[in-house]
Amino acid sequence: NAGVTQTPKFRVLKTGQSMTLLCAQDMNHEYMYWYRQDPGMGLRLIHYSVGEGTTAKGEVPDGYNVSRLKKQNFLLGLESAAPSQTSVYFCASSSDFGTGRVYEQYFGPGTRLTVT
Amino acid sequence: LAKTTQPISMDSYEGQEVNITCSHNNIATNDYITWYQQFPSQGPRFIIQGYKTKVTNEVASLFIPADRKSSTLSLPRVSLSDTAVYYCLVGDMETGANNLFFGTGTRLTVIP
Repeated sequence: NAGVTQTPKFRVLKTGQSMTLLCAQDMNHEYMYWYRQDPGMGLRLIHYSVGEGTTAKGEVPDGYNVSRLKKQNFLLGLESAAPSQTSVYFCASSSDFGTGRVYEQYFGPGTRLTVT
Repeated sequence: LAKTTQPISMDSYEGQEVNITCSHNNIATNDYITWYQQFPSQGPRFIIQGYKTKVTNEVASLFIPADRKSSTLSLPRVSLSDTAVYYCLVGDMETGANNLFFGTGTRLTVIP
């Protein structure tokens, strides 16, 4: 049981290049999330998904696109990278518990992206 | 959306009990309170979650007063390995994490 894994761990892009970050979870979770964390800051939600085939915008969605074609995978795309997107990206997943159940997000190890 | 306020940083000596308080004046009836821990270069890790009164697990306790406008994470007898950033989140669990905000957290430094 690997939990949440992210690929790649590190990446350097030039301004204007594109890339896709892959997140995979093996816990059969319904919900998946992409966050970014800038130095000295908390995590900010980019996009999230409440199930296979669904996506929705979070707090800072501009410049990113996502897809959830399979329940276990959540992809984050940068179509035209900008230096402002230099950050550490975390993926997370969780079950869709209702009231009274413990609600826990499981996070991946992160992807450190630098855009020059 | 309920947002939170926490101290930016705290220092504590090894072996002491540490209490980190979070203010959430606009908490809604369906909101739960959740605490996460984050070590450098790692993703956050769930510590504890509660709705009211007191919750205790093997690593921490969470105290929530009757008005639920604040909460206190209590770490008993901290060690150097407890040095981390601690985040308090408030949100409606039934709608998922899309309305949860991590904020800047509290940076706890444990001193030998």
